[in-house]
Amino acid sequence: GAVVSQHPSWVICKSGTSVKIECRSLDFQATTMFWYRQFPKQSLMLMATSNEGSKATYEQGVEKDKFLINHASLTLSTLTVTSAHPEDSSFYICSPLGPRETQYFGPGTRLLVL
Amino acid sequence: AQSVAQPEDQVNVAEGNPLTVKCTYSVSGNPYLFWYVQYPNRGLQFLLKYITGDNLVKGSYGFEAEFNKSQTSFHLKKPSALVSDSALYFCAVRGQMDSSYKLIFGSGTRLLVRP
Repeated sequence: GAVVSQHPSWVICKSGTSVKIECRSLDFQATTMFWYRQFPKQSLMLMATSNEGSKATYEQGVEKDKFLINHASLTLSTLTVTSAHPEDSSFYICSPLGPRETQYFGPGTRLLVL
Repeated sequence: AQSVAQPEDQVNVAEGNPLTVKCTYSVSGNPYLFWYVQYPNRGLQFLLKYITGDNLVKGSYGFEAEFNKSQTSFHLKKPSALVSDSALYFCAVRGQMDSSYKLIFGSGTRLLVRP
């Protein structure tokens, strides 16, 4: 149980383009979704928290207009990196809040912006 | 302020030997404590968590962790390490009264089990 999928698993894009990452909870519903990014050999950095049907709450220093989060349903959330630049290259991980108030994590999406 | 410390960047053990990955925390009120494991280029996998009750928590893949309130620690243990246990391990905490459900993560400890 508590399976989370992310798509795509990796993406390479040109600078200035937008990239959408999908996160799905396959066998549970998630009212709350967390999005993280992780740099090599570092811990996870929380970017934002979203609740289904509401606007996301962004952590300090995270640009809400660059990282658009949509949590339209209890099983799907998307993160769109708009006008991506090389410094946005990172590993992005979603984490729906699942059964027994435990965070479960997607397999991650590696983004490389050229 | 809430925080998690994993004092060891890396832990090296021989296969078959017991392993311990250390974690201490600071949180307002009583904690919920978690351990996650991350394999290369993968997301985090849930191992175990402490909510309340028995201080010794058993989790996936033979791992267990012991909650010690007086020492504010939640060390991860396994009696006999496997080479396949080699991965990056994260300890995380949140306050039981924290309605945001946000986790505070440690910096991670890389476990290397040699054959």
